[in-house]
Amino acid sequence: RKEVEQDPGPFNVPEGATVAFNCTYSNSASQSFFWYRQDCRKEPKLLMSVYSSGNEDGRFTAQLNRASQYISLLIRDSKLSDSATYLCVVNSGNDYKLSFGAGTTVTVRA
Amino acid sequence: EADIYQTPRYLVIGTGKKITLECSQTMGHDKMYWYQQDPGMELHLIHYSYGVNSTEKGDLSSESTVSRIRTEHFPLTLESARPSHTSQYLCASSGEREIYEQYFGPGTRLTVT
Repeated sequence: RKEVEQDPGPFNVPEGATVAFNCTYSNSASQSFFWYRQDCRKEPKLLMSVYSSGNEDGRFTAQLNRASQYISLLIRDSKLSDSATYLCVVNSGNDYKLSFGAGTTVTVRA
Repeated sequence: EADIYQTPRYLVIGTGKKITLECSQTMGHDKMYWYQQDPGMELHLIHYSYGVNSTEKGDLSSESTVSRIRTEHFPLTLESARPSHTSQYLCASSGEREIYEQYFGPGTRLTVT
């Protein structure tokens, strides 16, 4: 079983729409959670950390559900520039290694 | 922008050749990582280092080797390239302040013919 699983999408949404998607993680001992963004044929970049109480960064909202072992990302008022693959990332151990999901692709159309 | 560099960006090479993929960072980060990523797939950790003279194999078995003689430099070597090594190789680093924020280089896209 993969450590991090994501719906690959794609999620095709019009500009201005709200889009949300989840990822699940298998290790109940996981400590830290993140969303990274990866543009086509580019390197991943940290979008935001995910805190237990949930957190917002502008139009982006992340939630963590430890009981069900999933995290979510919601994008409000989608922009064309939000088109990317969003990687769910988890740190599960006592070290600094990260486990990456395969990503959820979002395409925002005009 | 992250100050982490990879060369070459693209490499097409024949089977059996020895290659070294270069990765350097100027952020003074102690932790460095090599990932392999195929299209549409997750990143797989193949090597990591938590400091000079410290290297470990990652979660994905790899025939490559790495070295960490200087803090800023973390090269990856394939002694004998095979078509199965065709992939994207991403180098990353992280520092003491934000230990889980990994900064990635632009990647090396390797094709072995």
